[in-house]
Amino acid sequence: GIQVEQSPPDLILQEGANSTLRCNFSDSVNNLQWFHQNPWGQLINLFYIPSGTKQNGRLSATTVATERYSLLYISSSQTTDSGVYFCAVDRDGNKLVFGAGTILRVKS
Amino acid sequence: GAVVSQHPSWVICKSGTSVKIECRSLDFQATTMFWYRQFPKQSLMLMATSNEGSKATYEQGVEKDKFLINHASLTLSTLTVTSAHPEDSSFYICSARGDLRGYEQYFGPGTRLTVT
Repeated sequence: GIQVEQSPPDLILQEGANSTLRCNFSDSVNNLQWFHQNPWGQLINLFYIPSGTKQNGRLSATTVATERYSLLYISSSQTTDSGVYFCAVDRDGNKLVFGAGTILRVKS
Repeated sequence: GAVVSQHPSWVICKSGTSVKIECRSLDFQATTMFWYRQFPKQSLMLMATSNEGSKATYEQGVEKDKFLINHASLTLSTLTVTSAHPEDSSFYICSARGDLRGYEQYFGPGTRLTVT
């Protein structure tokens, strides 16, 4: 099956700093989503981005489908950005495969 | 839009009993619903996929007789954990996909199950 690798596994930032999270996947996909899991476990949809670039406030994402990777940019980080960030991909519309996640801690 | 709810948000049950978890899409019709399980400090693992009106498709290693899934309508899917044991304690999360935006899935808030 398709493999999803996220890096870095852990990241500690000072409030106000910028960061880039990476997601590599092993096969072509027709769905790629980025999520933020908050401390209560809720998965919050950040981006649905099988290709191209999108921006939403301080967050933006880019997926280069031909090179099988996606990047999530967080600018001017805030303590509320802390949590786990997951990348998940779907090859055929039937199974979303999650990466191991990046644990982000933003210190004030 | 695209809100998914789960009930209950947490449940404690005794070993040997059954527990039912509900997943509802509140503002869209979910042609497909998914059930995931997440153990502490781990990622999400897909348990099964269900399409409205048909039998669920289970992932390899997931016991279909233990985890009963029903998707009786376009807004409701249920997961019943039968004869629960302590090793079934986990965080169960559902997601739903409709005709909103291609293959995008929307997730419920999760249900934390503890079996004593």
